[in-house]
Amino acid sequence: KQEVTQIPAALSVPEGENLVLNCSFTDSAIYNLQWFRQDPGKGLTSLLLIQSSQREQTSGRLNASLDKSSGRSTLYIAASQPGDSATYLCAVRGSEFSGNTPLVFGKGTRLSVIA
Amino acid sequence: GAGVSQSPSNKVTEKGKDVELRCDPISGHTALYWYRQSLGQGLEFLIYFQGNSAPDKSGLPSDRFSAERTGGSVSTLTIQRTQQEDSAVYLCASSYREYTDTQYFGPGTRLTVL
Repeated sequence: KQEVTQIPAALSVPEGENLVLNCSFTDSAIYNLQWFRQDPGKGLTSLLLIQSSQREQTSGRLNASLDKSSGRSTLYIAASQPGDSATYLCAVRGSEFSGNTPLVFGKGTRLSVIA
Repeated sequence: GAGVSQSPSNKVTEKGKDVELRCDPISGHTALYWYRQSLGQGLEFLIYFQGNSAPDKSGLPSDRFSAERTGGSVSTLTIQRTQQEDSAVYLCASSYREYTDTQYFGPGTRLTVL
């Protein structure tokens, strides 16, 4: 059964710092991996989707990498801003080799960027 | 265009009552998903609809939970004889096709069972 772990559970950084959020998964037979952002009381916003054949995706100040063989992904946020404060969720979708499992989510990293 | 919408945004009910939660996916999206987010827990997959195929119900926690998708668009999640442990935020998402595509989430329905 696929399990997704995110470390750290919470992170507080001063504005302007570069930071890395970590995600690990136990079954490397994935189809893709998605990073989401969730603001308090709101739904999820998709940030980046990496297909299993890809190594990384970039959007603005965000860069997500994927190392499928080791079961890891990182989300790099450059020059953090207070508006980046939110919970960041990692989710993986299993491939046909693992039974086409739906998205399995980690519990998230709660990020606070202090002005 | 408009995003995924859900109604109601909040629902308070008494234990034992039935509730219906509604999801309107993005127009043209063939895939629709329901998830549950409980306090302190991660998001938990409930059910998945893809076009006219039989839904994937593997995540439904009990037979008190059911869902329909009418006309390939709007979906309703029904919880019968609600229990306090059903209290959670229920999130709906849609994607253009199936799992290969980005999922877009609605704002959720916060269900409180007293």
